[in-house]
Amino acid sequence: SQQGEEDPQALSIQEGENATMNCSYKTSINNLQWYRQNSGRGLVHLILIRSNEREKHSGRLRVTLDTSKKSSSLLITASRAADTASYFCATDLNQAGTALIFGKGTTLSVSS
Amino acid sequence: EADIYQTPRYLVIGTGKKITLECSQTMGHDKMYWYQQDPGMELHLIHYSYGVNSTEKGDLSSESTVSRIRTEHFPLTLESARPSHTSQYLCASSGTPNYGYTFGSGTRLTVV
Repeated sequence: SQQGEEDPQALSIQEGENATMNCSYKTSINNLQWYRQNSGRGLVHLILIRSNEREKHSGRLRVTLDTSKKSSSLLITASRAADTASYFCATDLNQAGTALIFGKGTTLSVSS
Repeated sequence: EADIYQTPRYLVIGTGKKITLECSQTMGHDKMYWYQQDPGMELHLIHYSYGVNSTEKGDLSSESTVSRIRTEHFPLTLESARPSHTSQYLCASSGTPNYGYTFGSGTRLTVV
């Protein structure tokens, strides 16, 4: 079964609005990461939050992590049309010999 | 921007052909990964490597092989291409623990 599940699957907002995406996971993690993917391209790493952190900021991005609920959220403030992309959460399990497990992603559309 | 390169960018090939997807990185990262991604879907791990002469299978590895003879090079080979292999193949690398992955731009493969 999927380790990470994003919610919602799709999100449409106007420029200037905030966008919030959620990610839930099932097992203990070492860290959780968020990536962005423009249509048909590779993924770009946005932000990483460790299991002992609760909140992290990077520019217009704010990530929270609640390990008791096994969930994370990504907030993009003051969205721009250029933020239109798919956003994926990925979990780094607290196990040796494993790779990142990605969720199904949230597709964000920001209209001007 | 990316220091990880995938070739070809697009490939259309006939059923039964043997193909090799190339991936090279210039960052000196020990860890490298191959993921498969259908349009709008999550990434599935195919193979990964933790260093030279080290390769491990992921979830979808049964019909492909990889090699890691040099740190910078991690090619993926499909011995006999099938239409079910039509997908996007993403290569990634990682260095220091608790940092994110760097992805290539991907190879979009179509098997006819």
